[in-house]
Amino acid sequence: GDSVTQMEGPVTLSEEAFLTINCTYTATGYPSLFWYVQYPGEGLQLLLKATKADDKGSNKGFEATYRKETTSFHLEKGSVQVSDSAVYFCALRTGFQKLVFGTGTRLLVSP
Amino acid sequence: EAQVTQNPRYLITVTGKKLTVTCSQNMNHEYMSWYRQDPGLGLRQIYYSMNVEVTDKGDVPEGYKVSRKEKRNFPLILESPSPNQTSLYFCASSQEPRDTQYFGPGTRLTVL
Repeated sequence: GDSVTQMEGPVTLSEEAFLTINCTYTATGYPSLFWYVQYPGEGLQLLLKATKADDKGSNKGFEATYRKETTSFHLEKGSVQVSDSAVYFCALRTGFQKLVFGTGTRLLVSP
Repeated sequence: EAQVTQNPRYLITVTGKKLTVTCSQNMNHEYMSWYRQDPGLGLRQIYYSMNVEVTDKGDVPEGYKVSRKEKRNFPLILESPSPNQTSLYFCASSQEPRDTQYFGPGTRLTVL
C-alpha cells in the first residue's frame, strides 16, 4: 500500500541554521504531497503542498519540491528560528480524502 | 473564525466505560475524519464521513463508532474503551475530497 517514510528525529539545530527534513514516499498513481506542522499542544496545520511532479510548495520560508524521479518531497528552510520548533509530518493523499502520514519528525531549535 | 473544535481536550477514564468525543466544524464542510496519533506511527485514519448519514471505515476502525446526523458534527464513540485506545485523537474536515483538511486541536485520551 501507499506509505510515507521520513527521517527520525529529533533534529536539533541552532537558530539560523539550514534545515532539511527528508521525506520519501511509495504510492500508486500520482499522489498529492503535503507537509503539516504541529506546534506544542496544538492540532496539525497545513504548511505547504504540491499536487504534481516538479511543483514547489512554499510557505513561511519553508520549501519542498515534488520529485517524481526520486519519489521525494524533502522539506527545507534556509534559516530556522526558535519558533519553528515543532513536529513536522510529511503526508500524501490517495483516493477519497485519505491522507497517509509519515511518523513525524520533531525539530528543536535553540537560541 | 473558521475552526474545528473537539471536546473534551483531555480525558482519563477506565476500561469499559463508554465515552464520546465530540467534533464540530463551522465551515459547512461535507467531509470529516477521525485520526489517532501514536508515537512512531504517525496519524492513522479511524473513520471518515463524506456527508450526512454517510460514513466509512478508515485504517483502524476496530473499537470505534461514529455518526453523522448533522453536517457540522461528527462524534467519535468508544463503546467499551480499552487501554490500547490510549492515544491522541484528531478530528479533521474539508469541503471537497481533495481539498486541504483542517484539523481540530486534539483530544488526549487515557484509558486505565
